Amino acid sequence: GQQVMQIPQYQHVQEGEDFTTYCNSSTTLSNIQWYKQRPGGHPVFLIQLVKSGEVKKQKRLTFQFGEAKKNSSLHITATQTTDVGTYFCAGSSNTGKLIFGQGTTLQVKP
Amino acid sequence: EAGVAQSPRYKIIEKRQSVAFWCNPISGHATLYWYQQILGQGPKLLIQFQNNGVVDDSQLPKDRFSAERLKGVDSTLKIQPAKLEDSAVYLCASSLSPDGRLYGYTFGSGTRLTVV
Repeated sequence: GQQVMQIPQYQHVQEGEDFTTYCNSSTTLSNIQWYKQRPGGHPVFLIQLVKSGEVKKQKRLTFQFGEAKKNSSLHITATQTTDVGTYFCAGSSNTGKLIFGQGTTLQVKP
Repeated sequence: EAGVAQSPRYKIIEKRQSVAFWCNPISGHATLYWYQQILGQGPKLLIQFQNNGVVDDSQLPKDRFSAERLKGVDSTLKIQPAKLEDSAVYLCASSLSPDGRLYGYTFGSGTRLTVV
């Protein structure tokens, strides 16, 4: 069945450094979504990408969808302590089912 | 607008006991999901409802888990009997469209279940 993998599992950075997490799907996706989960919280929707090669920005966050629509990345520029949490990608195939990756947990040292 | 409401927030039960979780989605959201999130893992879909019909329950352990969404609004997820490996956070989510297009899924705060 469809699988969504994320790397790395954990990332520790110094405040001000950049951070990137990568997401790969075993199948072609119709869309990919990104969520952030703060410690002890629940996943919160960040963004959705639909088009091949699409790039979207939200302030310091840049999201990309691969040309083949099987991979995606989230890049955070100049991390802040408020960026701490687990970032999940979630891919939807033509069945409409959203499959979550295992997440990348970001720790930011002040 | 009000978010997705879930109760209880926490539950501790002994193995082989039963437990039920309740979810009230965002008004107007036809699609409702129950996810299981084990510590350190991503959410895993258990069941998806479109209005009051089941769209996908392929990963629901039907020998012990059951879910219903009467009248296409509130939903209840039940586990009977519970096993130790059921310890997890049970998240309810809802969305305007079946695949969460445009606005994604809105998750509730979840119910943290501990089976001892």
